[in-house]
Amino acid sequence: KAGVTQTPRYLIKTRGQQVTLSCSPISGHRSVSWYQQTPGQGLQFLFEYFSETQRNKGNFPGRFSGRQFSNSRSEMNVSTLELGDSALYLCASSLEPPRSSYNSPLHFGNGTRLTVT
Amino acid sequence: ELKVEQNPLFLSMQEGKNYTIYCNYSTTSDRLYWYRQDPGKSLESLFVLLSNGAVKQEGRLMASLDTKARLSTLHITAAVHDLSATYFCAVQNTGNQFYFGTGTSLTVIP
Repeated sequence: KAGVTQTPRYLIKTRGQQVTLSCSPISGHRSVSWYQQTPGQGLQFLFEYFSETQRNKGNFPGRFSGRQFSNSRSEMNVSTLELGDSALYLCASSLEPPRSSYNSPLHFGNGTRLTVT
Repeated sequence: ELKVEQNPLFLSMQEGKNYTIYCNYSTTSDRLYWYRQDPGKSLESLFVLLSNGAVKQEGRLMASLDTKARLSTLHITAAVHDLSATYFCAVQNTGNQFYFGTGTSLTVIP
């Protein structure tokens, strides 16, 4: 069974540009979450989608947005990039919204490393 | 906002020794997860702890949860080099959000 797939693996952008990251969840998984990982702030929750609806959103500015498609694939977009957006962006999927299932941990992809110059 | 603190942040231990990583969190939760991350790799789920007093063991790792103390521990028994990695605890709130600890970077020295 294929795991969570994130593309691209690496991205280099300049300040002010915008970027779109893609995530394909494990087959059958309908919940997709996004996290930002940086050395200083650790892992921070961005948002969670289930059945094409955003169910939860973390404390990030509106420049960060996402969506989920009918096949559960998800994209996140960051507009007007800032240097501080440089990070590893991780996508995770689970069978159901995690709380509804007692044995539904998050399954993470390998991440997209974004560098903003 | 739920806060999750792990300690120590860095741990260097000799092979064969035992040690414990601690995870404290700030508000009531009955769901706690432990993950492992190898350098350049993604996070791998280790344990899911769902109730007070829950204890899970896998090989040389044992995790426990005390919801009253808002504390989880990850105990390492007779460490081996393969256990070198960064370990994260994560607490889930009632709104399905996961809050991660800062991680503990473990290095096992021969």
